[in-house]
Amino acid sequence: QEQLVESGGASVKPGGSLRLSCVASGFTFSDYYMSWIRQAPGKGLEWVSYITPRSTLTKYADSAEGRFIITRDNAKNSVFLQIDSLRAEDTAVYYCARAGASSHWYFDLWGRGTPVTVSS
Amino acid sequence: SYELRQPPSVSVSPGQTATITCSGENLGKTYATWYQQRPGQSPVLVIYQDNKRPSGIPERFSGSNSGDTATLTISGTQAIDEADYYCQAWDASTYVFGSGTRVTVL
Repeated sequence: QEQLVESGGASVKPGGSLRLSCVASGFTFSDYYMSWIRQAPGKGLEWVSYITPRSTLTKYADSAEGRFIITRDNAKNSVFLQIDSLRAEDTAVYYCARAGASSHWYFDLWGRGTPVTVSS
Repeated sequence: SYELRQPPSVSVSPGQTATITCSGENLGKTYATWYQQRPGQSPVLVIYQDNKRPSGIPERFSGSNSGDTATLTISGTQAIDEADYYCQAWDASTYVFGSGTRVTVL
């Protein structure tokens, strides 16, 4: 079945870096926009970044601009999020999500998330 | 930046209708999407393109969008519908989420 599985979350100190990974299965990964969305503890959903199917375009939320980099490897059915200069406010569960096939304006498949904790 | 506003909470009795609103400037000119997130779980798409239900979503979930307000309606609310609900829209080539509404089935 269609599935997204995230990994790479960890507990890190402020200023550190992390690379999150998301592996897709059960669908043609290279046909879809992919996004990262995060959720701080007890808070709502915040879109972080997306990448188009052929990596021709990436986009970031203002909170992610300059420290986050999204990439993908269609041969490995994977999307990645590199996060540098981590701050306490980056603490969240990070979800990988697929945009809809008929329209990329919504997310029709989500992973279970990977937790990131930034604390000294 | 674009904002979507939702009421923090909605309470409903079992079998009754729950109505959740999402307000944003000219929201009706774009598509509204709704997600359900049960405690400890990932979000699930329940309504897309204003009023379409994905396969597997019960018919009691319906949506509308006009003017500045999108609405998610849960008819015949069941205990399993108790969850957080988020609206979402596409604006200026980015995704925007609402603040979320906790639906409590009393």
